[in-house]
Amino acid sequence: SQQGEEDPQALSIQEGENATMNCSYKTSINNLQWYRQNSGRGLVHLILIRSNEREKHSGRLRVTLDTSKKSSSLLITASRAADTASYFCATGAGQAGTALIFGKGTTLSVSS
Amino acid sequence: GAVVSQHPSRVICKSGTSVKIECRSLDFQATTMFWYRQFPKQSLMLMATSNEGSKATYEQGVEKDKFLINHASLTLSTLTVTSAHPEDSSFYICSASPPVNYGYTFGSGTRLTVV
Repeated sequence: SQQGEEDPQALSIQEGENATMNCSYKTSINNLQWYRQNSGRGLVHLILIRSNEREKHSGRLRVTLDTSKKSSSLLITASRAADTASYFCATGAGQAGTALIFGKGTTLSVSS
Repeated sequence: GAVVSQHPSRVICKSGTSVKIECRSLDFQATTMFWYRQFPKQSLMLMATSNEGSKATYEQGVEKDKFLINHASLTLSTLTVTSAHPEDSSFYICSASPPVNYGYTFGSGTRLTVV
């Protein structure tokens, strides 16, 4: 099962520009997480935001969460070629023994 | 801490054979592990929840007789793809949730190619 859509599905930008990806979900959540996946590789955890938080920062990453709209956004500032990857949001119910459910992902291409 | 090791990272097998993928929690006990499948250019789809000492819970549309899951210890879950077919070729990833803080940690994935 999947939670919902990520928007856009693909994004191409130049180095130095900002990249914004959006994620919508369907059910109530305890937390929402963002992951990065380089082509053919495993997942890298980027950031977790809890349902009672509205915004969180980590380095060049900024995540917002709007539980009333069941949506989240990931902003990558001053993008680099190394940021080229697929980005997925994943929602968790916060209960032991429950899985993360992933969105469809956004493929980001950053050209130098 | 909270490392999950997945093995093998890559496997090629012939149609009709079975393949076993292992997922080990190295420094914590995992009562529950999760198995995901990812087709090219798609997202991760939850296949099943593996419970130590009991039967796995499969997501709708996942054949339990084809994807056998065994979670015989608190540190090891295995996924066996039985009678593999080319359409089973995919990237399989396991995950576990350390009990303390409900964080999730993922294995590095297994690329299965059935020829």
